[in-house]
Amino acid sequence: ETGVTQSPTHLIKTRGQQVTLRCSSQSGHNTVSWYQQALGQGPQFIFQYYREEENGRGNFPPRFSGLQFPNYSSELNVNALELDDSALYLCASSLFKGLAGDIEQFFGPGTRLTVL
Amino acid sequence: ILNVEQSPQSLHVQEGDSTNFTCSFPSSNFYALHWYRWETAKSPEALFVMTLNGDEKKKGRISATLNTKEGYSYLYIKGSQPEDSATYLCASPSPGTASKLTFGTGTRLQVTL
Repeated sequence: ETGVTQSPTHLIKTRGQQVTLRCSSQSGHNTVSWYQQALGQGPQFIFQYYREEENGRGNFPPRFSGLQFPNYSSELNVNALELDDSALYLCASSLFKGLAGDIEQFFGPGTRLTVL
Repeated sequence: ILNVEQSPQSLHVQEGDSTNFTCSFPSSNFYALHWYRWETAKSPEALFVMTLNGDEKKKGRISATLNTKEGYSYLYIKGSQPEDSATYLCASPSPGTASKLTFGTGTRLQVTL
């Protein structure tokens, strides 16, 4: 069973640029959630994708967008980067079974984004 | 807005000590409570998912209890070892949103010899 992987591990961008982060789900999972962890905070929910469609979104502006592919891998895109976007970005995969909040989520190791 | 709080923020214990920390969450519209262990430079690892009031779960030397009526969960570590050093996060899904987890800020545990 392959775990959740993310790429790249680290990334440095400048303000105003665009970035794409990638996530490969654990085998058999159909849902991917993305989280942002800023320094000193817990992970904050960005959005979730289920069957290639957005299935819930947190309090993040539209310049944060995503995709989920038929193989359930996912991308997080951030346009017009701001200094405050510097954070660790985590993705988590799970097997969605309806409105069940007790479904375990499996996290990747994260991508550390630094915006200068 | 769901508010999940954890205390203490950090904890420093010696090998062999037992310790515990707290996660507080709104008791209304409770759905589930997740505990994660997150070692530096690794992925957060799920420890427990708890749903029932009075539930108690155990995994080796780590156990957790849940009180949904008063809105708290305790995580206990018996006989702490250096490999228990990690940040322990709790999270709860927002009502009606299934997998949208709201996390606390975590308790950072350091176990020394």
